[in-house]
Amino acid sequence: SAVISQKPSRDICQRGTSLTIQCQVDSQVTMMFWYRQQPGQSLTLIATANQGSEATYESGFVIDKFPISRPNLTFSTLTVSNMSPEDSSIYLCSVARGASYEQYFGPGTRLTVT
Amino acid sequence: ILNVEQSPQSLHVQEGDSTNFTCSFPSSNFYALHWYRWETAKSPEALFVMTLNGDEKKKGRISATLNTKEGYSYLYIKGSQPEDSATYLCALFQGAQKLVFGQGTRLTINP
Repeated sequence: SAVISQKPSRDICQRGTSLTIQCQVDSQVTMMFWYRQQPGQSLTLIATANQGSEATYESGFVIDKFPISRPNLTFSTLTVSNMSPEDSSIYLCSVARGASYEQYFGPGTRLTVT
Repeated sequence: ILNVEQSPQSLHVQEGDSTNFTCSFPSSNFYALHWYRWETAKSPEALFVMTLNGDEKKKGRISATLNTKEGYSYLYIKGSQPEDSATYLCALFQGAQKLVFGQGTRLTINP
């Protein structure tokens, strides 16, 4: 298993500003994942954070909007840039274990953009 | 686009009753089906990872079955308790290093 913490747990932000979310894992992992759940929607993968290389973004998500850092094997950050109300979501980081990719999640960051 | 469908979207059940809900997915190129429980303000927690057609898994009062040929999985809760109130997510793993999630079933247990 893995223990994952996220900061902040929640925030209310003004339109046009940026927020950086931190994710810390209690053990070294190769890949970390960032997800978003907009109200009433599925949990959707934003990107995979790879240590030592650029993050891999899913269709519909771009680096300018969601820059990701991965400075070491236990830590990653996701920035939500130039926020709009549509960015109001729960953001989760996770790691995967095992051949079937069982996911271990952080507690999430609940973001409200006004 | 891969579609994972869950039904119903929400469910209210009396304490002590049993309930079940469904996850449907495309049956081709199947690798694994995951079930998670997500309580408010907590981390989603893995319940089951199922890989074989006909798989049945059990954890206390919760069990799940898998039919990969017809593309569905059922999650059952026997004798619901208030602590079972949560959103239940299923997710499909087809390799390619990512999971595709359904929208979830929000379960509320009425005391």
